[in-house]
Amino acid sequence: DGGITQSPKYLFRKEGQNVTLSCEQNLNHDAMYWYRQDPGQGLRLIYYSQIVNDFQKGDIAEGYSVSREKKESFPLTVTSAQKNPTAFYLCASSIQGAKDTEAFFGQGTRLTVV
Amino acid sequence: AQSVTQLGSHVSVSEGALVLLRCNYSSSVPPYLFWYVQYPNQGLQLLLKYTTGATLVKGINGFEAEFKKSETSFHLTKPSAHMSDAAEYFCAVSDYGGSQGNLIFGKGTKLSVKP
Repeated sequence: DGGITQSPKYLFRKEGQNVTLSCEQNLNHDAMYWYRQDPGQGLRLIYYSQIVNDFQKGDIAEGYSVSREKKESFPLTVTSAQKNPTAFYLCASSIQGAKDTEAFFGQGTRLTVV
Repeated sequence: AQSVTQLGSHVSVSEGALVLLRCNYSSSVPPYLFWYVQYPNQGLQLLLKYTTGATLVKGINGFEAEFKKSETSFHLTKPSAHMSDAAEYFCAVSDYGGSQGNLIFGKGTKLSVKP
């Protein structure tokens, strides 16, 4: 079945550590996105990529980094520079350039700082 | 720039009652509009979308929404709430600006259904 797989589902990080969240899709979509979700805040865009080897900052990119070496994969690294990383992270993908098509979402990764 | 406002962060209805979740948008171009549902600790699932054509859009699980250009609204309704409808609902508009990615989301409305 086609879809988006995020792993792990739960992740715990010690202060000062970098952690990487995985996102893989087999929908053959060019565009991929990372969102952060906090209670009452909706979804805020961290980074997006419209094509392999290219990505753009979203609204809240500080303290995060991404790579897009393969079409299927868009990992997100939460660095120690991110002061408040505890949140629910969602990865999504869509057909590039098609404004009338929806984004497809993974099941999310809940990151907690311990 | 496009934007979305969802009125009411929490809505509570009784089982069998009408569900009405409000969404207003701002867009300088004809909008493409979406409603998503999120169950606890899960990703978002598309309920329905409006692109062009018929302004009354039917989605999954008995939900529908009506695009009203004059009111810049895209409210989500369901005639009879079921316990399984308890979730968070997000309205979104397709972004034309390019700098925000594919969709701009509202802050969400959490729906509670009382027995």
